[in-house]
Amino acid sequence: DAGVTQSPTHLIKTRGQHVTLRCSPISGHKSVSWYQQVLGQGPQFIFQYYEKEERGRGNFPDRFSARQFPNYSSELNVNALLLGDSALYLCASSWDRGEYMNTEAFFGQGTRLTVV
Amino acid sequence: AQSVTQLGSHVSVSEGALVLLRCNYSSSVPPYLFWYVQYPNQGLQLLLKYTSAATLVKGINGFEAEFKKSETSFHLTKPSAHMSDAAEYFCASRGDSSYKLIFGSGTRLLVRP
Repeated sequence: DAGVTQSPTHLIKTRGQHVTLRCSPISGHKSVSWYQQVLGQGPQFIFQYYEKEERGRGNFPDRFSARQFPNYSSELNVNALLLGDSALYLCASSWDRGEYMNTEAFFGQGTRLTVV
Repeated sequence: AQSVTQLGSHVSVSEGALVLLRCNYSSSVPPYLFWYVQYPNQGLQLLLKYTSAATLVKGINGFEAEFKKSETSFHLTKPSAHMSDAAEYFCASRGDSSYKLIFGSGTRLLVRP
């Protein structure tokens, strides 16, 4: 079975541009979460979506937005890119909406975004 | 606010030696704790998770962790390090918000031949 897939794997953008990152969850998983991992730090929670609805949002500016589609895939959009947005963006999927505290989150390999 | 602290950004051991990676949590409610491993240029893979069923948790690749409420700790151990264990390890917690994971800053494990 395919795991969580993310695209693209790498990309380079210029300051001020917009970027869209994509994620396909494991088949049967309805929840998708996005995390930002800056070099040398642990992942930071950005969003969680379940059944196309936003369930949680981390402490990120409004330049960050996301959505989930009927097939449960998801997009993360970042507007007006800053140098500080350079990071590995990780997508994770799980089968529940978060009501079970011990549910495992399955992570994709990430998208490495470099802003120059 | 809930937090996870990993002591030591880098840990270096010889092949065959004991591996000990430290994690302490701060939570107002009993936490659910996880250890993830990240190999270079890859995502995160779950090693093990604590779910209150047992304080000693066994995971994949010979790793285990012990939950100690009195010390608010969930340290990761492996009796004998292998070269393939070289990676970055993250401790994470779900406490007051079940929909998100709170990660520590990570510990990079180096294994010397």
